[in-house]
Amino acid sequence: DSGVTQTPKHLITATGQRVTLRCSPRSGDLSVYWYQQSLDQGLQFLIQYYNGEERAKGNILERFSAQQFPDLHSELNLSSLELGDSALYFCASSVGGGLIYEQYFGPGTRLTVT
Amino acid sequence: TQLLEQSPQFLSIQEGENLTVYCNSSSVFSSLQWYRQEPGEGPVLLVTVVTGGEVKKLKRLTFQFGDARKDSSLHITAAQPGDTGLYLCAGALSVTSGTYKYIFGTGTRLKVLA
Repeated sequence: DSGVTQTPKHLITATGQRVTLRCSPRSGDLSVYWYQQSLDQGLQFLIQYYNGEERAKGNILERFSAQQFPDLHSELNLSSLELGDSALYFCASSVGGGLIYEQYFGPGTRLTVT
Repeated sequence: TQLLEQSPQFLSIQEGENLTVYCNSSSVFSSLQWYRQEPGEGPVLLVTVVTGGEVKKLKRLTFQFGDARKDSSLHITAAQPGDTGLYLCAGALSVTSGTYKYIFGTGTRLKVLA
């Protein structure tokens, strides 16, 4: 158990819909990262927040958005869902936002778009 | 597009054999990490290498960062069934001073047979 929690564990929804994935970082961690893992694209870095502010952006689509709240939990919002958005979405957290800090991954949310 | 190519993609070996997994890119990374991922779980960090030419050992696992910080290898000695899993390398690319985005490799799925 990494100490990072993600909800829900599974999510099934239809194309065109909008969903929100939630992540609670480990106690004391200020940085949150979101990743997408699909069979054809592998693990892709989406976005990083540090203490409520966006820190770095990866391959995040415009239909996706994220935020980190004052209590440090984070949400990833996915809208206008397409079949290709079906994937495992992981959240990771670390103490700091820089290079030397280990990222701890949550168990993931499996999203299925039908 | 920055890519991290891993080879081999799949590896099935007998218990006690040695193996090496490679991670190659044309990009220069500030650091490189190796993770192991079990089915249904998030990746777990094995090691971080930062300096070109750096070698780190973790019991039967030996990790090396290339001199030019573009490639890395993971060598497992006397593999055991417990080593079975998906091995991922991940490189950190500097975005601005102190911020990084993370590029994950294509993955190597290892199966060690008893």
